[in-house]
Amino acid sequence: DAKTTQPNSMESNEEEPVHLPCNHSTISGTDYIHWYRQLPSQGPEYVIHGLTSNVNNRMASLAIAEDRKSSTLILHRATLRDAAVYYCILREKRQGGSEKLVFGKGMKLTVNP
Amino acid sequence: EPEVTQTPSHQVTQMGQEVILRCVPISNHLYFYWYRQILGQKVEFLVSFYNNEISEKSEIFDDQFSVERPDGSNFTLKIRSTKLEDSAMYFCASDSRGRYTGELFFGEGSRLTVL
Repeated sequence: DAKTTQPNSMESNEEEPVHLPCNHSTISGTDYIHWYRQLPSQGPEYVIHGLTSNVNNRMASLAIAEDRKSSTLILHRATLRDAAVYYCILREKRQGGSEKLVFGKGMKLTVNP
Repeated sequence: EPEVTQTPSHQVTQMGQEVILRCVPISNHLYFYWYRQILGQKVEFLVSFYNNEISEKSEIFDDQFSVERPDGSNFTLKIRSTKLEDSAMYFCASDSRGRYTGELFFGEGSRLTVL
């Protein structure tokens, strides 16, 4: 499984935008970029995913570099509830077979009131 | 909003005992997974299950582990003879893959403590 690199931690302030970076220089053409997060004492939660184009949903935006070797998860207005460990994961789209997620250590986001 | 539910939320057992963790995946989902997370460590893939059989398993998923979908709704993980190192949070997940949505839905987890 291709690997991703994230900072160990970041801090942000409530109500401000926060940009969470991820490097994935060995990404292959069939790898989708996924973001999950894990709030304290909860299971992982899907945030967003994309392949080449930037993506927006109700939770966040995903900006993908043109060469796909890096991406940025953007939380437009951080809230205290966004404090979590964020995982950037490459997931290969296969024809048949499972598409397991391989979690790294992730990045702990602290949101200050 | 549909959700994956897991029971029990916490189970304490003695080493060597059998444990069954239960999950009810989202009703129209076809692919089921178990992951675990030892305290303070990464979330680790254990096994995936599709069409009533295991489609992939990790090195962790040895002969002590088994999975089953005994009826149309439950998906279970059995640990035949628990060890101390099996203490962890166990997460069930499911997805539909009718089209490639990319989203895995996780339950809130079952905490297993082996004494």
